[in-house]
Order: sequence, then C-alpha cells, then structure tokens
Amino acid sequence: KAGVTQTPRYLIKTRGQQVTLSCSPISGHRSVSWYQQTPGQGLQFLFEYFSETQRNKGNFPGRFSGRQFSNSRSEMNVSTLELGDSALYLCASSSGGDRVRYEQYFGPGTRLTVT
Amino acid sequence: KQEVTQIPAALSVPEGENLVLNCSFTDSAIYNLQWFRQDPGKGLTSLLLIQSSQREQTSGRLNASLDKSSGRSTLYIAASQPGDSATYLCAARSFSGGYNKLIFGAGTRLAVHP
Repeated sequence: KAGVTQTPRYLIKTRGQQVTLSCSPISGHRSVSWYQQTPGQGLQFLFEYFSETQRNKGNFPGRFSGRQFSNSRSEMNVSTLELGDSALYLCASSSGGDRVRYEQYFGPGTRLTVT
Repeated sequence: KQEVTQIPAALSVPEGENLVLNCSFTDSAIYNLQWFRQDPGKGLTSLLLIQSSQREQTSGRLNASLDKSSGRSTLYIAASQPGDSATYLCAARSFSGGYNKLIFGAGTRLAVHP
C-alpha cells in the first residue's frame, strides 16, 4: 500500500506571495492532518480534515487554511507569506474512524523557503 | 494546556548499548501516546502507539511504556545500532485548546557510533 505523498517536496517563494501544498493520504484513510516543523518551535499542529470537514485546528493565523476533497486528498494554503513561514510542512493521514485510537502516518514533507 | 517534554535533548552512545528515552506530559488525560522517528530532512516514521488503557507496547528491539498517573512514557531501545541514529519524538493526543490534537515534544537526537 502506497504511503502518504506530498507535493511539491521543495518550494521557494517570496515574501507576500501565496502557496498551496498538496497531500495524498494512504488509500482508505479519511483523516488528513497538517503540521509545521521549525527549528525554533518544533512540530506544531495546524489543522485536521475528516470527510471534507475541518474537525480540529491549532493556533495559527487565518493566513493558513486548508481543504479536503471527496477523494480525501488535501491541500493547505498559506497567503501573504512571511519569512517566519519557512518550515517543513508535514501531512499525516489516519483511518480517522475512531478519533481516539487512530495512529498517524506521515508523509516526507514539503520544505518551504520564504525569501 | 498539554505540554510534552523530552529528556535528554541529545544522546550519544556506543553501538550495542541499551538505552532509555524519556517523555513527560503535563495533562494525564491523554487518549494515546505515539513514538516517532525522524531522519534528517525527512518525515516521521511511526514506531509505537500506546492507548491510554495500555501500559506498554513492543516492536522488535523497541519497547514503550506509559504511566498516565505520573505523566511519563519511556522508549527502551535494546542493543542499539548505528542505523538507530535519528531524532525520536513522542506525541500525546489530548484535548487541548478546545480541540483533539497531537502535541509533540522537542525530540531526543540519538547518535549511535560504531
């Protein structure tokens, strides 16, 4: 079974631009979560989508948004990029059927650099 | 508010040693705790998941324990190998800030030298 895939793997953007990252979960998984990883803040939870609905979110500004499609693929969008948005963005999928028990499987990440 | 702490931040050991990585969390009302491994510049690989009702989980040379009452989990690695070199992260799933989310520790960077 193929793992979680993320595209693109690397991205360089300029401050003020916007960016869209994509995540394809493991086949059959309905939950997709997004995380930001930086050397200073570590791994921080952005949001989770389940069956096209956002059901959990972290403490990030409204510039960070996401959506999930009917095939469970998810996109994350960051508008008006700031230098501090430079990070590794990780996507994780899980079956999501049982909100408590599910194990998360991570993709390789998208390395975003904002100049 | 849930906070997860990992000690030590870094560890260097000779090959063959048994070692213990520590993880502590402030809110004992967790749903589960998950241990991950991360290689430089890569994503996370799930190692073990312990549900709140369980005391431990084992996979090969890895054994993870959970003590909710004391807010602690340990990851035991037996007979360490150079290939075990990576950053190990623990994450507690709990209800924090109004949402069900996975809260990560900062990780323990492990180096196993031949």
